[in-house]
Amino acid sequence: GQQVMQIPQYQHVQEGEDFTTYCNSSTTLSNIQWYKQRPGGHPVFLIQLVKSGEVKKQKRLTFQFGEAKKNSSLHITATQTTDVGTYFCAGPKGDNQGGKLIFGQGTELSVKP
Amino acid sequence: DAGITQSPRHKVTETGTPVTLRCHQTENHRYMYWYRQDPGHGLRLIHYSYGVKDTDKGEVSDGYSVSRSKTEDFLLTLESATSSQTSVYFCAISGAGVGEQFFGPGTRLTVL
Repeated sequence: GQQVMQIPQYQHVQEGEDFTTYCNSSTTLSNIQWYKQRPGGHPVFLIQLVKSGEVKKQKRLTFQFGEAKKNSSLHITATQTTDVGTYFCAGPKGDNQGGKLIFGQGTELSVKP
Repeated sequence: DAGITQSPRHKVTETGTPVTLRCHQTENHRYMYWYRQDPGHGLRLIHYSYGVKDTDKGEVSDGYSVSRSKTEDFLLTLESATSSQTSVYFCAISGAGVGEQFFGPGTRLTVL
Protein backbone atom coordinates (compact mmCIF):
# COMPACT_ATOMS: atom_id res chain seq x y z
CA GLY A 1 0.00 0.00 0.00
CA GLN A 2 0.90 3.65 -0.18
CA GLN A 3 3.64 4.66 2.22
CA VAL A 4 5.29 7.87 3.34
CA MET A 5 8.61 7.44 5.09
CA GLN A 6 10.58 10.04 7.03
CA ILE A 7 14.19 10.01 8.14
CA PRO A 8 15.71 10.38 10.56
CA GLN A 9 13.32 9.39 13.33
CA TYR A 10 15.26 11.45 15.89
CA GLN A 11 17.77 14.25 15.59
CA HIS A 12 19.64 15.88 18.43
CA VAL A 13 21.48 19.10 17.63
CA GLN A 14 23.32 21.85 19.40
CA GLU A 15 21.63 25.21 19.22
CA GLY A 16 22.87 27.01 16.12
CA GLU A 17 23.42 23.86 14.09
CA ASP A 18 21.39 23.10 10.99
CA PHE A 19 18.75 20.38 10.76
CA THR A 20 17.21 18.51 7.85
CA THR A 21 14.42 15.94 7.68
CA TYR A 22 13.61 13.95 4.56
CA CYS A 23 10.30 12.59 3.38
CA ASN A 24 9.87 9.89 0.73
CA SER A 25 6.67 8.65 -0.79
CA SER A 26 6.04 5.32 -2.51
CA THR A 27 3.75 7.13 -4.98
CA THR A 28 3.77 10.41 -6.84
CA LEU A 29 2.03 13.09 -4.80
CA SER A 30 -0.10 15.97 -6.06
CA ASN A 31 1.10 18.00 -3.09
CA ILE A 32 2.89 17.61 0.19
CA GLN A 33 2.21 19.27 3.52
CA TRP A 34 4.41 19.80 6.56
CA TYR A 35 3.24 20.00 10.15
CA LYS A 36 4.99 20.73 13.43
CA GLN A 37 3.97 19.28 16.76
CA ARG A 38 5.45 20.73 19.94
CA PRO A 39 5.90 18.35 22.89
CA GLY A 40 2.50 17.71 24.44
CA GLY A 41 0.77 19.67 21.70
CA HIS A 42 -1.14 19.07 18.53
CA PRO A 43 0.07 19.15 14.93
CA VAL A 44 0.11 22.61 13.37
CA PHE A 45 0.21 23.18 9.63
CA LEU A 46 3.38 24.79 8.33
CA ILE A 47 3.18 24.76 4.56
CA GLN A 48 1.95 23.03 1.42
CA LEU A 49 4.04 22.47 -1.71
CA VAL A 50 2.37 21.73 -5.01
CA LYS A 51 4.76 22.21 -7.91
CA SER A 52 7.55 19.91 -9.01
CA GLY A 53 10.88 21.28 -7.76
CA GLU A 54 9.18 23.92 -5.64
CA VAL A 55 11.18 25.63 -2.91
CA LYS A 56 9.57 27.77 -0.24
CA LYS A 57 11.09 29.59 2.69
CA GLN A 58 9.67 30.65 6.01
CA LYS A 59 12.35 32.60 7.86
CA ARG A 60 14.93 29.91 8.82
CA LEU A 61 12.87 27.05 7.38
CA THR A 62 13.34 25.92 3.77
CA PHE A 63 10.96 23.41 2.21
CA GLN A 64 11.60 21.55 -1.04
CA PHE A 65 9.42 19.33 -3.20
CA GLY A 66 11.31 16.94 -5.45
CA GLU A 67 11.23 17.04 -9.22
CA ALA A 68 9.46 13.68 -9.35
CA LYS A 69 7.02 14.79 -6.64
CA LYS A 70 7.87 11.73 -4.56
CA ASN A 71 10.15 13.32 -1.99
CA SER A 72 10.45 16.44 0.07
CA SER A 73 12.71 17.96 2.66
CA LEU A 74 12.58 20.49 5.45
CA HIS A 75 15.80 22.31 6.37
CA ILE A 76 16.17 24.53 9.41
CA THR A 77 19.13 26.88 9.47
CA ALA A 78 20.72 27.75 12.81
CA THR A 79 18.30 25.91 15.06
CA GLN A 80 16.86 27.54 18.14
CA THR A 81 15.27 25.99 21.21
CA THR A 82 11.90 27.11 19.87
CA ASP A 83 12.35 24.66 16.98
CA VAL A 84 12.00 21.68 19.33
CA GLY A 85 9.22 19.32 18.34
CA THR A 86 8.25 16.64 15.85
CA TYR A 87 8.01 17.48 12.18
CA PHE A 88 5.64 15.51 9.98
CA CYS A 89 5.21 15.40 6.25
CA ALA A 90 1.87 14.33 4.79
CA GLY A 91 0.60 13.60 1.33
CA PRO A 92 -2.82 12.92 -0.16
CA LYS A 93 -3.92 9.36 0.35
CA GLY A 94 -5.04 7.53 -2.75
CA ASP A 95 -7.26 9.68 -4.92
CA ASN A 96 -7.38 12.35 -2.20
CA GLN A 97 -11.15 12.01 -2.00
CA GLY A 98 -12.29 13.73 1.16
CA GLY A 99 -8.90 15.27 1.78
CA LYS A 100 -7.47 12.12 3.33
CA LEU A 101 -3.82 12.42 4.24
CA ILE A 102 -1.13 9.84 4.86
CA PHE A 103 1.51 11.00 7.33
CA GLY A 104 5.15 10.10 7.70
CA GLN A 105 6.29 8.82 11.08
CA GLY A 106 7.79 12.17 11.94
CA THR A 107 11.24 13.41 12.89
CA GLU A 108 11.66 14.43 16.49
CA LEU A 109 14.06 17.32 16.90
CA SER A 110 15.71 18.17 20.18
CA VAL A 111 17.93 21.24 20.54
CA LYS A 112 20.53 21.56 23.24
CA PRO A 113 21.14 25.15 24.34
CA ASP B 1 -6.18 28.52 16.63
CA ALA B 2 -9.20 27.11 14.84
CA GLY B 3 -12.25 26.53 17.03
CA ILE B 4 -11.89 22.84 17.74
CA THR B 5 -12.41 21.20 21.09
CA GLN B 6 -12.14 17.58 22.12
CA SER B 7 -13.68 15.93 25.14
CA PRO B 8 -12.67 14.37 27.34
CA ARG B 9 -9.01 15.40 27.24
CA HIS B 10 -7.94 12.42 29.31
CA LYS B 11 -9.66 9.15 30.00
CA VAL B 12 -8.73 5.90 31.70
CA THR B 13 -11.02 2.97 31.11
CA GLU B 14 -11.05 -0.80 31.38
CA THR B 15 -10.92 -3.40 28.65
CA GLY B 16 -14.33 -4.22 27.28
CA THR B 17 -16.04 -0.96 28.17
CA PRO B 18 -17.53 1.36 25.53
CA VAL B 19 -15.91 4.76 25.07
CA THR B 20 -17.06 7.79 23.10
CA LEU B 21 -14.82 10.70 22.23
CA ARG B 22 -16.28 13.97 21.04
CA CYS B 23 -14.93 16.51 18.60
CA HIS B 24 -16.68 19.86 18.38
CA GLN B 25 -15.91 22.64 15.88
CA THR B 26 -17.18 26.17 15.51
CA GLU B 27 -15.70 26.77 12.03
CA ASN B 28 -18.56 25.23 10.03
CA HIS B 29 -16.02 23.13 8.14
CA ARG B 30 -17.38 20.31 6.03
CA TYR B 31 -14.62 17.76 6.53
CA MET B 32 -13.71 16.18 9.85
CA TYR B 33 -11.19 13.47 10.67
CA TRP B 34 -10.21 11.21 13.52
CA TYR B 35 -6.56 10.16 13.86
CA ARG B 36 -4.67 8.15 16.39
CA GLN B 37 -1.05 8.87 17.22
CA ASP B 38 1.30 6.20 18.47
CA PRO B 39 5.09 6.27 18.84
CA GLY B 40 6.81 5.29 15.62
CA HIS B 41 3.60 5.45 13.58
CA GLY B 42 2.94 9.13 13.17
CA LEU B 43 -0.72 9.96 12.66
CA ARG B 44 -3.03 7.32 11.24
CA LEU B 45 -6.51 8.05 9.95
CA ILE B 46 -9.31 6.13 11.67
CA HIS B 47 -12.45 7.56 10.06
CA TYR B 48 -13.41 10.75 8.33
CA SER B 49 -16.57 12.64 7.44
CA TYR B 50 -17.34 14.69 4.34
CA GLY B 51 -20.68 15.98 5.56
CA VAL B 52 -23.53 15.38 7.97
CA LYS B 53 -24.22 11.65 8.12
CA ASP B 54 -21.52 11.05 5.47
CA THR B 55 -18.59 9.09 6.84
CA ASP B 56 -16.01 6.65 5.57
CA LYS B 57 -13.25 4.42 6.87
CA GLY B 58 -9.61 5.32 7.14
CA GLU B 59 -6.60 3.03 7.33
CA VAL B 60 -7.09 1.79 10.93
CA SER B 61 -10.88 1.67 11.34
CA ASP B 62 -11.30 -1.79 12.90
CA GLY B 63 -12.84 -1.54 16.38
CA TYR B 64 -14.03 2.05 15.83
CA SER B 65 -17.26 3.61 14.65
CA VAL B 66 -18.19 7.24 14.08
CA SER B 67 -21.26 9.40 13.78
CA ARG B 68 -21.92 12.91 12.59
CA SER B 69 -25.47 14.12 13.14
CA LYS B 70 -24.55 17.83 13.09
CA THR B 71 -21.93 19.79 11.17
CA GLU B 72 -20.17 20.77 14.38
CA ASP B 73 -19.91 17.38 16.09
CA PHE B 74 -18.01 14.24 15.13
CA LEU B 75 -18.11 11.35 17.57
CA LEU B 76 -15.68 8.45 17.75
CA THR B 77 -16.86 5.32 19.55
CA LEU B 78 -14.89 2.33 20.72
CA GLU B 79 -17.61 -0.27 21.17
CA SER B 80 -15.48 -2.49 23.40
CA ALA B 81 -12.15 -0.93 24.26
CA THR B 82 -8.97 -3.00 24.07
CA SER B 83 -5.48 -2.27 25.35
CA SER B 84 -4.27 -1.83 21.76
CA GLN B 85 -6.50 1.22 21.52
CA THR B 86 -4.49 3.03 24.17
CA SER B 87 -3.35 6.08 22.23
CA VAL B 88 -3.65 9.80 21.73
CA TYR B 89 -6.62 10.66 19.53
CA PHE B 90 -6.72 13.81 17.44
CA CYS B 91 -9.63 15.31 15.63
CA ALA B 92 -8.96 17.52 12.61
CA ILE B 93 -11.08 19.68 10.34
CA SER B 94 -10.76 21.02 6.84
CA GLY B 95 -12.91 23.47 4.97
CA ALA B 96 -12.27 22.42 1.41
CA GLY B 97 -11.05 18.87 1.79
CA VAL B 98 -7.76 19.90 0.25
CA GLY B 99 -5.00 21.85 1.86
CA GLU B 100 -4.32 22.26 5.50
CA GLN B 101 -6.04 20.48 8.31
CA PHE B 102 -6.59 22.07 11.71
CA PHE B 103 -6.12 19.79 14.67
CA GLY B 104 -7.82 19.72 18.04
CA PRO B 105 -5.89 19.48 21.32
CA GLY B 106 -6.15 15.68 21.50
CA THR B 107 -7.55 13.08 23.90
CA ARG B 108 -5.22 10.76 25.76
CA LEU B 109 -6.98 7.42 26.21
CA THR B 110 -5.63 4.64 28.39
CA VAL B 111 -7.28 1.22 28.31
CA LEU B 112 -6.28 -1.00 31.22
